[in-house]
Amino acid sequence: DAGITQSPRHKVTETGTPVTLRCHQTENHRYMYWYRQDPGHGLRLIHYSYGVKDTDKGEVSDGYSVSRSKTEDFLLTLESATSSQTSVYFCAIGRETQYFGPGTRLLVL
Amino acid sequence: AQTVTQSQPEMSVQEAETVTLSCTYDTSESDYYLFWYKQPPSRQMILVIRQEAYKQQNATENRFSVNFQKAAKSFSLKISDSQLGDAAMYFCAYRRGAAGGTSYGKLTFGQGTILTVHP
Repeated sequence: DAGITQSPRHKVTETGTPVTLRCHQTENHRYMYWYRQDPGHGLRLIHYSYGVKDTDKGEVSDGYSVSRSKTEDFLLTLESATSSQTSVYFCAIGRETQYFGPGTRLLVL
Repeated sequence: AQTVTQSQPEMSVQEAETVTLSCTYDTSESDYYLFWYKQPPSRQMILVIRQEAYKQQNATENRFSVNFQKAAKSFSLKISDSQLGDAAMYFCAYRRGAAGGTSYGKLTFGQGTILTVHP
């Protein structure tokens, strides 16, 4: 299994609070991704990174920002969480084939 | 933009039988890759199989095989000798080829098919 961890694995927060999710990899891969999974939508890309400090938007990027200051870490921030951001968040790495982390379940009340 | 459609929200199969999950996609590109991922109740996304569009031969991985029909833009997954451990949500996914530059690693997913395996 690819060495990908996500933290926290579960989080409950309140509307309007900032939230940061962390993805950490030990594979030294350039490409990293954040997806969200919602019923009826499969997984949708939020943001991705193709190197340190190189990031770009995916199809559902509104309300999210990312940062990548080190190869191994890719952070996803919800500046002001909303109930519509309640979801399961997956990090992935790879370019030819993507491998996924275990996911983070986020509940925004 | 590419789209991926899985028209079967749920499927079921008897243990040891064969089941086929459907996936269709829409793209104007000629260079792309297709994937099936499995998501068991643990929620972990597990790669099942990958198909390169330029290859005419259908990919196989043990009990898993695909029927890739490029002209029809169809990519179905066949699971033979189904086992209880095959019960999961299955996702079909599309990735464009190398001409996509830095964006070419991005996956577009279908909505998923829940597979139930009956003993």
